[in-house]
Order: sequence, then structure tokens, then C-alpha cells
Amino acid sequence: GQQVMQIPQYQHVQEGEDFTTYCNSSTTLSNIQWYKQRPGGHPVFLIQLVKSGEVKKQKRLTFQFGEAKKNSSLHITATQTTDVGTYFCAGAGNNRKLIWGLGTSLAVNP
Amino acid sequence: DGGITQSPKYLFRKEGQNVTLSCEQNLNHDAMYWYRQDPGQGLRLIYYSQIVNDFQKGDIAEGYSVSREKKESFPLTVTSAQKNPTAFYLCASTRTGAGTDTQYFGPGTRLTVL
Repeated sequence: GQQVMQIPQYQHVQEGEDFTTYCNSSTTLSNIQWYKQRPGGHPVFLIQLVKSGEVKKQKRLTFQFGEAKKNSSLHITATQTTDVGTYFCAGAGNNRKLIWGLGTSLAVNP
Repeated sequence: DGGITQSPKYLFRKEGQNVTLSCEQNLNHDAMYWYRQDPGQGLRLIYYSQIVNDFQKGDIAEGYSVSREKKESFPLTVTSAQKNPTAFYLCASTRTGAGTDTQYFGPGTRLTVL
């Protein structure tokens, strides 16, 4: 069946360093969504990418959707302690069901 | 103030007891979902409902049951048949049932079975 792999599972950075998490799907996706879950909290929607090669920015966050619509990345420039949490990608395949990655947990040392 | 509410936030039960988790939304969303999250794990879909009086099994439905009698409400019962029920349970809703819809999550219920 469809799978969405997300790497790395954990990332520990010093405040000010950059961070990237990657999502790879076994099949072509119609869209990909990114969510952030703070420790003890619930997932909160960040962004959705739909078009091949799409790039979107939200302040220090840059989201990319691959040309083949099978992979995506989230890059955070100059991390801050407020960026701590788990970042999930979720992709919708042909059957319109959302498939979730396992998430990347980000820890930031002040 | 629109959103999704889940109650209670923390729940403790003895082994062998059924327990029902509440989920209510006032977003007028058609579809609702239940997920289970274990420490360090992603979200696993238990059940979902795209319309009132209809619901479908997700990836890990065994030991769980749901009902959707009202558009606003989608309670989840964790039965004694669920072998490892201790987990964080998240309810979500979407405007329609399409995979392109944004999922809105409730604050979650942390269930501990003693």
C-alpha cells in the first residue's frame, strides 16, 4: 500500500542552526500537508502544497514539493526554541486518503 | 469560538472496562476522524466518518467502536477487547472527506489503563 517515509526521526540542533525534514512517498501524491505538534499538544496545520515543484515560505519556514510529486521537504532557517516540536507530513494519494509520515521531532538547545 | 473539543483531557480506567471518549465540533464539518498516537509514533487512523450515520474502519479499528448520530459528535468507545489501550487519542474533522482538506484537531485525550 501507499507509504510516506519521513526522515530523520529525531534532530537536535543548537539555536540558530538550520533544520530540514524530508518526506518521501512510494506513489505520486495529489497534495502534501505539513503539521506541527508541540510537546503535549495536538497537530496544527502549517501548509498545503499541490503543484509540482511548488515552493512556499512562511517567515523562516520553507516548504517544497518535488517535481514528481513524490517528495517534500520543510526547511527552518535559524531555528529558535519556539520551533521545538514534531513536524508531520501527510500526503493524499489517488484514493483521496491522507497518509501520515511518522514525524520528525526537533529539539533546540538555547 | 469555533473548534473541536475533546473530553476529558486525562482519563484513567481499570483493565477490562469499556470507556467512551467524547469529540464535539462546531465547525459544521462533514467528516470526522479518530487517531491514536503512541509515544514517539505517528498518527494511526482508528475510524472515520464522512457523513452522519455512516463510518468506516481505519487501519487499527480492532477493539474500538464509534457512532455518528449527529454531525457535531463522533464518540469513540475503547472496549475491553483492545489489548493495549493506553495512548493519546486525537479527534479531527475536515470540511469534506477529501484528502486535500485541512485536518483540524482537538486537544486530545490521554487514556491510561491501569
